[in-house]
Amino acid sequence: AQSVAQPEDQVNVAEGNPLTVKCTYSVSGNPYLFWYVQYPNRGLQFLLKYITGDNLVKGSYGFEAEFNKSQTSFHLKKPSALVSDSALYFCAVFTGRRALTFGSGTRLQVQP
Amino acid sequence: DAGVTQSPTHLIKTRGQQVTLRCSPKSGHDTVSWYQQALGQGPQFIFQYYEEEERQRGNFPDRFSGHQFPNYSSELNVNALLLGDSALYLCASSLASGTQETQYFGPGTRLLVL
Repeated sequence: AQSVAQPEDQVNVAEGNPLTVKCTYSVSGNPYLFWYVQYPNRGLQFLLKYITGDNLVKGSYGFEAEFNKSQTSFHLKKPSALVSDSALYFCAVFTGRRALTFGSGTRLQVQP
Repeated sequence: DAGVTQSPTHLIKTRGQQVTLRCSPKSGHDTVSWYQQALGQGPQFIFQYYEEEERQRGNFPDRFSGHQFPNYSSELNVNALLLGDSALYLCASSLASGTQETQYFGPGTRLLVL
């Protein structure tokens, strides 16, 4: 079965420092991976996706993610964190070609 | 360009009742998927509608049913509500030009079952 895991419930980082939110995947075949962000009492906002091609994917709001096939990882990164980046981040993988299977989420807290 | 919209934003029901949630997809999209997000968890896929038919379903009982209209909007119906149905219900739309198409989410409907 296709799945993703987010090993950290919470990540704390100081404003201006680089941030990394981790995601590992377990899929058969080619993985189609996504990152979404959720602000309080809001739906999910799409950040970026990996389908094929370049292992470094650039997305919205300065975020990027690195696909690593040997480590089965798809970590989300940003060179310089903002307080406004504080939110809940979800990694997801396509399952059955149409449904997204989400990880448990990682809460990012950026301290001023 | 309007994004995905959902109504109502909040809803309170009692056990055993029935509820209908509504979703209008992003302009130009023809596919609607529904997800349930319990408190503190990631969203769980309920089902997806395309061309007015359910074409994939997650691990949810038959109490959960849906419908898609010719204008691509969709409804999620839940019968015989249980306390455990309390959650944020998210609608996502996409364009069925292929597979693995990006899904864009609405703000959700928060359902509380008492």
